[in-house]
Amino acid sequence: QVTLKESGPALVKPTQTLTLTCTFSGFSLSTDGMRVSWTRQPPGKALEWLARIDWDDDKFYSTSLKTRLTISKDTSKNQVVLTMTNMDPVDTATYYCARITPLGYFDYWGQGTLVTVSS
Amino acid sequence: EIVLTQSPGTLSLSPGEGATLSCRASQSVSSDYLTWYQQKPGQAPRLLIYATSNRATGIPDRFSGSGSGTDFTLSISRLEPEDFAVYFCQRYGSSSITFGQGTRLEIK
Repeated sequence: QVTLKESGPALVKPTQTLTLTCTFSGFSLSTDGMRVSWTRQPPGKALEWLARIDWDDDKFYSTSLKTRLTISKDTSKNQVVLTMTNMDPVDTATYYCARITPLGYFDYWGQGTLVTVSS
Repeated sequence: EIVLTQSPGTLSLSPGEGATLSCRASQSVSSDYLTWYQQKPGQAPRLLIYATSNRATGIPDRFSGSGSGTDFTLSISRLEPEDFAVYFCQRYGSSSITFGQGTRLEIK
């Protein structure tokens, strides 16, 4: 059974760095073809893809946010970590991690974690 | 970067009716990498259709997908009360992923 769960602070201050952890089970990120991604969704708005990390440690980022994002994995812990620097109130959103299949679709999602940016 | 534009923004229909949702890409997209999701309030998106026309496990056959090139469609026949939700299309690229802005399907 594949599960993913996001964890991290619910509230961050402007200019701070956000660190989110995705802890997953039911698959290994060292298996050929496995990928994990982060996506966010501001309240009432659309989904926005942020970053992806592959089984071979390739990393890809949203063009508009790449200077602020870092994605990494700890295969032994079954975790993927996303950091986002210089947080702003417009970054308030629910942040999701999800598994991506070789055909590029998200087959399993975490429940999401709401991050509010406010002083 | 490829942009996905969904239309209409909101679709108001009654249970039992059929729905047609559109996803248009700014450049040609491989049909292997076009996906549809359903999202209900307070929930994560749920995989509906992958590779343009393949239903995910457990998705009823009233949901179908079609299209090619820049124009893709999600069709829902005989709307059930549980189908009223927001629908997103998504395109996978080797180095980037794009979502459409969503279509809200609401009860008329």
